[in-house]
Amino acid sequence: AGVSQSPSNKVTEKGKDVELRCDPISGHTALYWYRQSLGQGLEFLIYFQGNSAPDKSGLPSDRFSAERTGGSVSTLTIQRTQQEDSAVYLCASSGQGDSNQPQHFGDGTRLSIL
Amino acid sequence: AQSVTQLGSHVSVSEGALVLLRCNYSSSVPPYLFWYVQYPNQGLQLLLKYTSAATLVKGINGFEAEFKKSETSFHLTKPSAHMSDAAEYFCVVGRGSTLGRLYFGRGTQLTVWP
Repeated sequence: AGVSQSPSNKVTEKGKDVELRCDPISGHTALYWYRQSLGQGLEFLIYFQGNSAPDKSGLPSDRFSAERTGGSVSTLTIQRTQQEDSAVYLCASSGQGDSNQPQHFGDGTRLSIL
Repeated sequence: AQSVTQLGSHVSVSEGALVLLRCNYSSSVPPYLFWYVQYPNQGLQLLLKYTSAATLVKGINGFEAEFKKSETSFHLTKPSAHMSDAAEYFCVVGRGSTLGRLYFGRGTQLTVWP
C-alpha cells in the first residue's frame, strides 16, 4: 500500500479549523508535508524523521501545525483558515529520510476555503 | 544553498517528437537529483533518480536524464512523445546529506498534440 491521505477533498468556510491526515508507507521513518498552490511548485511545510524534533522551517504561519503520533500517522492542522490556504496538501514518506531516498507521495488533499 | 530552475513552465510537442525538459540546479555540495511526474489529480510519481553511478540515468516510460556537472544541468528527455506523457514534470534536488528535505522546481507542464 502507498501513502494514504484523507480526506481527498475538503471545503470549509473561512475561519474554521481543518485537520488533514496522512498515513505513510509502513516502516517509513521519514514523513513530509508539502503545499501545492495553483501555478506554483511544491512548497515544503514540515519534515518528521523518526523520533527527532521535526523540521518546521516551512510552516507559513503559527496557524499551521503538525504532529506525528507513534512514528506513523501524521495530522496537519490549519487553524482559522484563510482563503490563501486553498491549495492541494501533499504528504510523502521515505524509508530513512536521507536526501538520496526517493519520496513516495499520496494523492493529496484538495482544500478549498470559501 | 540549493535551488532548482526549470526553464519553461509549458512545453508543447507533437506525438512522436522529441521531449526535452530543462533543469538547472545550484548546490553547495554534490547533489541528489530526481525527476517526478504528476498526472492530473494524482500525487507525484518518481520518474528517475541520479545516483552518481552513471551520468545518464534511465527511468520509467522511456524517459532518461543526463547529469552534466560542468553545466549544473539535469535535463529530461524522451525520444518520442506519447499522448500519455502529458503531465507536469518536476525537477528535484536533495541536499546531499542525511537531511531529507528536497527542493522542487516550479514544474513544467508538458502538452502532447496528436
